[in-house]
Amino acid sequence: GEDVEQSLFLSVREGDSSVINCTYTDSSSTYLYWYKQEPGAGLQLLTYIFSNMDMKQDQRLTVLLNKKDKHLSLRIADTQTGDSAIYFCAERRSEGGGNKLTFGTGTQLKVEL
Amino acid sequence: DAGVIQSPRHEVTEMGQEVTLRCKLISGHNSLFWYRQTMMRGLELLIYFNNNVPIDDSGMPEDRFSAKMPNASFSTLKIQPSEPRDSAVYFCASSFIASEQYFGPGTRLTVT
Repeated sequence: GEDVEQSLFLSVREGDSSVINCTYTDSSSTYLYWYKQEPGAGLQLLTYIFSNMDMKQDQRLTVLLNKKDKHLSLRIADTQTGDSAIYFCAERRSEGGGNKLTFGTGTQLKVEL
Repeated sequence: DAGVIQSPRHEVTEMGQEVTLRCKLISGHNSLFWYRQTMMRGLELLIYFNNNVPIDDSGMPEDRFSAKMPNASFSTLKIQPSEPRDSAVYFCASSFIASEQYFGPGTRLTVT
């Protein structure tokens, strides 16, 4: 399909791990990104992964990439209340010079005490 | 660096009025993107520029919308005349060409 797909909601308990999933569209996409949006704020770049990698870890964040299935995931270890936000995945497609990002619909993460 | 700067942060206007949104890129960046975010349609790319040149404006809703880059560090998005359905949060983002994008805090536009 043409759309980058994400589930709309995820609820976890504080201290648990969160896994946010994304299915992207272009098998030749070069970079894949995760952004975080807190209420009333812009999108903040969290991390990204190059398409020739399977995994990238950055402190509490782990990104997994399955190119065969065009599946991207973001795992947040030891989830905290401050992690409550909307998380967007985005792909950099190869078309048009590769400068545009195509964003998913966003997953709203709610962290409960 | 102060990051991407947008002004105003909030704008309330009446239908039919002209609205101008402003964006200052991060120093040294050469690509500029305008997005619109609504509950119904999510995040939509309106237009983007590389080196001050508009590359793709296919997301611009209609002729009422126009965007310019009068210089390498500044852009405006103008809506004339504004309509209630234009109410949204408008973001700009900047980057080096083909690199990660950094977003501004957004302008929340309400057209009554």
